[in-house]
Amino acid sequence: QAQLVESGGGVVQPGRSLRLSCAVSGFTFSNYAMDWVRQAPGKGLEWVAVISYDGSNKYYADSVKGRFTISRDYSKNTLYLQMNSLRPEDTAVYYCARGRAGMYDAFDLWGQGTKVIVSS
Amino acid sequence: DIVMTQSPDSLTVSLGERATINCKSSQSVLYSSNNKNYLAWYQQKPGQPPKLLIYWASTRESGVPDRFSGSGSGTDFTLAISSLQAEDVAVYYCHQYYTTPLTFGGGTKVEIK
Repeated sequence: QAQLVESGGGVVQPGRSLRLSCAVSGFTFSNYAMDWVRQAPGKGLEWVAVISYDGSNKYYADSVKGRFTISRDYSKNTLYLQMNSLRPEDTAVYYCARGRAGMYDAFDLWGQGTKVIVSS
Repeated sequence: DIVMTQSPDSLTVSLGERATINCKSSQSVLYSSNNKNYLAWYQQKPGQPPKLLIYWASTRESGVPDRFSGSGSGTDFTLAISSLQAEDVAVYYCHQYYTTPLTFGGGTKVEIK
């Protein structure tokens, strides 16, 4: 069945970098836009970034623009989030999510999340 | 940015009773060219990722029980649970996907009385 599995989270010092991965299986990766959504401890959901099905369009939340980069590797069926210049406020569980039928659509499939803690 | 405001923040309802959650967007999420409201509802249980319940404001996702229904258009939306079950205890979020940045409501926690 369709599945998303995130990895790459951990504890990192402020100012350092981390790369998250989201391994896709059970559906045709190249047909779907993909997003990253995060959730700070005890807080609500915050959209982070989206990449179109073909990788040609990418959009970011203002809070991460210029620091985070979303990308995808079709040969590996994997979505990535490169996070640079990390700040304590980036501490959150990061979920990858699939756009149901396009970049501007609901998220019909979510991973279990990977936890990122930014702390000295 | 489109701000999504949910009410109430929390809701306590007896088993079998109706629960209603409201969501208001700071601008319309109705796309005139296709007459669709770019609004979804999710359920999140503790320790789990969100689960899609409703998209296009009123279309139930496959496998979602029919006690869940969505309504509304433009800027005002409602998620209703017609007969609350124990397994419905969760936090519910509305979400606009009309434009980036995509945004979510702050969440409504539903508990059993």
